[in-house]
Amino acid sequence: QKEVEQNSGPLSVPEGAIASLNCTYSDRGSQSFFWYRQYSGKSPELIMSIYSNGDKEDGRFTAQLNKASQYVSLLIRDSQPSDSATYLCAVQGRYSTLTFGKGTMLLVSP
Amino acid sequence: GAVVSQHPSRVICKSGTSVKIECRSLDFQATTMFWYRQFPKQSLMLMATSNEGSKATYEQGVEKDKFLINHASLTLSTLTVTSAHPEDSSFYICSARDPGGRSETQYFGPGTRLLVL
Repeated sequence: QKEVEQNSGPLSVPEGAIASLNCTYSDRGSQSFFWYRQYSGKSPELIMSIYSNGDKEDGRFTAQLNKASQYVSLLIRDSQPSDSATYLCAVQGRYSTLTFGKGTMLLVSP
Repeated sequence: GAVVSQHPSRVICKSGTSVKIECRSLDFQATTMFWYRQFPKQSLMLMATSNEGSKATYEQGVEKDKFLINHASLTLSTLTVTSAHPEDSSFYICSARDPGGRSETQYFGPGTRLLVL
């Protein structure tokens, strides 16, 4: 049974702070990792993908992957109220199917 | 990124009726599409993988005779919820894999909210 674990939150941070979201996965053979953002009542939208160990930066977002520890994280710098959403970690296994975590709710207060 | 549309965005139906949901890739051809279901405050659960020109692959516990999937073209997959019941009320979301980019990336449609009375 492949599992993806996330702290459900909510994670509350003040505007301008760094938000750190974490995810662990059980399938050691996983190769592709994704972070999606989901606003209430909406479908997920892709924020970042990461495939290799280390950091990947895109604007205010940095994804970090450590395959040895089976750990993926997402850092959001200069957090804005508009970043308030649920962040879903997704891990790709065999046949390109994605396994999602339950998501972490982020609340950024002005 | 690639654009995926779904129709309808919201549907209310009576118990026992069937509902068809369409998923279209607008600016790319998708040989593979995925159908998910999301209950309130839950994560996305994969229901089935839809392959153009062949039978869908259903996840364990998903009734293939109840959730009919057709992927007749490279830009369209449909999910039909047959004999819908109130417990089928959920948020149904499709995604498509963009072969033009990194092959693993999935792009999601806006979702269809189904309410069965």
